[in-house]
Formats: sequence, structure tokens, C-alpha cells
Amino acid sequence: AQSVTQPDIHITVSEGASLELRCNYSYGATPYLFWYVQSPGQGLQLLLKYFSGDTLVQGIKGFEAEFKRSQSSFNLRKPSVHWSDAAEYFCAVGAGQAGTALIFGKGTTLSVSS
Amino acid sequence: GAGVSQSPSNKVTEKGKDVELRCDPISGHTALYWYRQSLGQGLEFLIYFQGNSAPDKSGLPSDRFSAERTGGSVSTLTIQRTQQEDSAVYLCASSLVSGGRGEQFFGPGTRLTVL
Repeated sequence: AQSVTQPDIHITVSEGASLELRCNYSYGATPYLFWYVQSPGQGLQLLLKYFSGDTLVQGIKGFEAEFKRSQSSFNLRKPSVHWSDAAEYFCAVGAGQAGTALIFGKGTTLSVSS
Repeated sequence: GAGVSQSPSNKVTEKGKDVELRCDPISGHTALYWYRQSLGQGLEFLIYFQGNSAPDKSGLPSDRFSAERTGGSVSTLTIQRTQQEDSAVYLCASSLVSGGRGEQFFGPGTRLTVL
């Protein structure tokens, strides 16, 4: 069965430091992969997505992610974190009929310290 | 509208009552999805609509849950005989393109509390 694992429940990073959030997936075929962010009281916003092609994808707000098939990973990175990046981050894989349903990881809460 | 809207934003109900949650997708989006977000289970897929039909209902947790979509637009998620374990935030999303490549835009959710 398809699944997504985000090993880190909570991460604290200093403002200006780099960030990497881990995501591992289990899927039988080439996956559609996504990262979403959810700020307190806000809906889910898509940061970036991977369908095929270049394994390093750029997203909004300065985020990027790298698809590594050999490691079944799709880690999210940002070179310099801002206080406004504090939020919950979800990795997801497209599954179901033609990849329509999204299967989400449990999420990683990011705190940013000054 | 500018985005996906959901109503009500909050709903408190008593165990055993029925509730209806509404979703207005982005105009022109043919695909519509319902998810549930709870502390214990995280984000779970419930049901997917393409137009007015629901080709994937695999995530509905029990027969107390049903959903319909009319006119290829508004969708209603109905929970009958609510239970305390139904307490969660119910999220709706829509996409212009069906299938995995369609970016799903999410609404703010309806927070359901069953007393």
C-alpha cells in the first residue's frame, strides 16, 4: 500500500539557518509528489510538486525539493529560514485512480527561533 | 470566487445528530476532493468527484458518511448519527485538471466537534 513517512514530528531551526525536512514514500510506480504548508488557522498551500523530469524542483517562498528514486525520498530544503516559515509541512504522494487521491504524511512542525 | 470556500467554518453538534458540510470549489474546477484532518490520523482522503460522479469513494470511513455534488459545482458532505470520533477538520479541495497532475487547491476547512 502507498504510504508517506515524515520521520521528524517537530524541528526547531534558527532564523537564517538552512532547513531540510525529510520525506520517504512507498509507491509501486513513478509517484506524483507534493509538499504542502499549513500555517495556523490557514488552509493547505502547495509549495512544490514533482511529476517527472528534473529531480530537483523549485517551489514558492524559496523552497526546493529533490526526488531520489533510489532512496524513495523527496526531502524539502531551504537555504535560509525566515520566522514566517514557522508552520506545519506535509509531504504527499498522488495515489488512487490515476493518482487523484493524495496520501499525506503525518506532518512536520517547524519552529523558528530568533 | 477567488478560492475554495467551505461552510460553516465551525460546527458543534451532539452525538447522534446529522450534519452537512458544504464546499464551493473554484469556478471551472471539475475535480473536487474531501479530506479529513484529525490529531490521531493526520490527513485522510475521503472521496473524489469528477463532475457530479464519484469514481473514488474508497476513503469514506463508514456508511454514515456520504457526499454529493450537484451541477458540477457545490458539494455537500453529510455525516449521519455523528460519533465523537468524527470530530475533525474536514477539508475540501478542487483542481482544474483531474488525475495526479492536477494541483489541488484547499479550502480553509470546517472544524466539526461532536459532543
